Amino acid sequence: EAGVAQSPRYKIIEKRQSVAFWCNPISGHATLYWYQQILGQGPKLLIQFQNNGVVDDSQLPKDRFSAERLKGVDSTLKIQPAKLEDSAVYLCASSPRRTEAFFGQGTRLTVV
Amino acid sequence: AQSVTQLGSHVSVSEGALVLLRCNYSSSVPPYLFWYVQYPNQGLQLLLKYTSAATLVKGINGFEAEFKKSETSFHLTKPSAHMSDAAEYFCAVSGPSGGYNKLIFGAGTRLAVHP
Repeated sequence: EAGVAQSPRYKIIEKRQSVAFWCNPISGHATLYWYQQILGQGPKLLIQFQNNGVVDDSQLPKDRFSAERLKGVDSTLKIQPAKLEDSAVYLCASSPRRTEAFFGQGTRLTVV
Repeated sequence: AQSVTQLGSHVSVSEGALVLLRCNYSSSVPPYLFWYVQYPNQGLQLLLKYTSAATLVKGINGFEAEFKKSETSFHLTKPSAHMSDAAEYFCAVSGPSGGYNKLIFGAGTRLAVHP
């Protein structure tokens, strides 16, 4: 079974630029998550999708972050414009109903 | 709101020694609990999970954890540490108040194993 795929693995941008991350979850998983992991901290949930719909985006900085899940499968997370404090690893995960989440390898973003 | 607290951001053990990583949860109703491991530049990998069945849960790589409701704890143990166990370990919770599909993570414990 293929795992959660994320791209790119690494990205370096200047502040105020925009960036997008892509995630392809495990086939058949209805729930998709984006987490932000700042160095030395645990992952923080940014947004949770159930199929096409958003279940929780309470911690998503909506003035600069946006996310969508196309046809209930792939998802993109965008930051525009980026700030220095957005430097982090962005983790995508997917889950069947009421079980553990399966994580991708993450995208390491450095904002300079 | 549900949360987990991991006691000790860094733990160091000798190879062959007992590993004990501590996790306490906050929830009015017994939640689901998880331990994940993260190796450098990798995503998170599930070690084990508690979902209201047996209170002693065995996971991969020789790890196990015991759910203790009276202590609101879910500590992770391994009888004998290997060098390959060096990594970051995260405790996570999901459950009735936040939703069983919403994982809340602790701050993590970095495990170092020395010869």
